[in-house]
Amino acid sequence: EAQVTQNPRYLITVTGKKLTVTCSQNMNHEYMSWYRQDPGLGLRQIYYSMNVEVTDKGDVPEGYKVSRKEKRNFPLILESPSPNQTSLYFCASSLSPTAGYTFGSGTRLTVV
Amino acid sequence: LAKTTQPISMDSYEGQEVNITCSHNNIATNDYITWYQQFPSQGPRFIIQGYKTKVTNEVASLFIPADRKSSTLSLPRVSLSDTAVYYCLVGDKAILTGGGNKLTFGTGTQLKVEL
Repeated sequence: EAQVTQNPRYLITVTGKKLTVTCSQNMNHEYMSWYRQDPGLGLRQIYYSMNVEVTDKGDVPEGYKVSRKEKRNFPLILESPSPNQTSLYFCASSLSPTAGYTFGSGTRLTVV
Repeated sequence: LAKTTQPISMDSYEGQEVNITCSHNNIATNDYITWYQQFPSQGPRFIIQGYKTKVTNEVASLFIPADRKSSTLSLPRVSLSDTAVYYCLVGDKAILTGGGNKLTFGTGTQLKVEL
């Protein structure tokens, strides 16, 4: 089944403790992206990647890192999480720049 | 990057046709218009995409006038299960410039369908 898999689904952590949210897609998609969703603010893009080793900032990249060492994986790294990064995070992948994105099921992160 | 404006919410009844309009006055020549649907605590789901005139698939139709400054998502005969948030997106120049896929979601339109 074609899908985007994120892990974990839920995560509670403490301020400053580094964490990684994994994202993997099995569709051989070139493009991958991370979004965060907050009440009243909609979905905001954090980072996106056009291919292996090619990444660029979205609208809200501060406090996040990404890497794209393999085509199928696009992990989101929070080096020093803070409470304002408490949010619902979505990973997505796409075959081409203007094709529709396939989204993962989301990761609900709470930073205390 | 073209900004989009759409109604915050809409109400409808089962069996009716729903039209959600999105304004994108600053749309660029190479931009595409895409609509997504999102249910609570789920990732958005791609519905339809178009560049101009009319596009139809098994889920919806997308109407784009000649000036492309707006677009209308049409959902025929909605049901309770169509209650969701609908997002209108206008894509960055991507194919020609290789600038990637920087898509911006707004806050969307909350559609509520009742019996």
